[in-house]
Amino acid sequence: EVQLVESGGGLIQPGGSLRLSCAASGFSVSSNYMSWVRQAPGKGLEWVSIFYGGSGTYYADSVRGRFTISRDISKNTLYLQMNSLRAEDTAVYYCARLADYADYVDYWGQGTLVTVSS
Amino acid sequence: EIVMTQSPATLSVSPGERATLSCRASQNVNSNLAWYQQKPGQAPRLLIYGASTRATGIPARFSGSGSGTEFALTISSLHSEDFAVYYCLQYNNWPPIFTFGPGTKVDMK
Repeated sequence: EVQLVESGGGLIQPGGSLRLSCAASGFSVSSNYMSWVRQAPGKGLEWVSIFYGGSGTYYADSVRGRFTISRDISKNTLYLQMNSLRAEDTAVYYCARLADYADYVDYWGQGTLVTVSS
Repeated sequence: EIVMTQSPATLSVSPGERATLSCRASQNVNSNLAWYQQKPGQAPRLLIYGASTRATGIPARFSGSGSGTEFALTISSLHSEDFAVYYCLQYNNWPPIFTFGPGTKVDMK
């Protein structure tokens, strides 16, 4: 059974850094593309970043240069390093697996809340 | 950037009625469109991919149609558990920063 479990969220001051983790089970993060998607309180879904295997990593304009996506195959875990955090980064961050041979999300984690506030 | 729009923003429907939700892309996305259902406090759930293929375990009352720039999600007869927010996602463009629509909330009339 595919499972994604996020951790690392919390309250952080503007300008601070946080690293989110997503522990995967039931498949290998080396065999599927992986993404982070976020949802601000009461708002819609926003695609944040994608780890596209050998083709690289990509970011939404809103986070490029501040966020870094990475993976540790030995731990079967996806990460999102978030630096220079802003109030507008406040959201639930979901880890997402992209389907085999296609780029839609087929599995989601339960999400972890990041609150950026002084 | 491909911009996705959804209409209506809110759809008020009675149980047993048919609901049709629309999603439009600002550019051709072929059939690279998915639909998700999200209930309060929960992660989204995949309903439809490839514009018209139901995901595993999704009831037959959910159907998707369209290609190019115009898409629709139809719920043939609403059940109480179908009241939720529905999002479309295009996954066609390169580089792969994909875009969601703003969502349609289906609530009880």
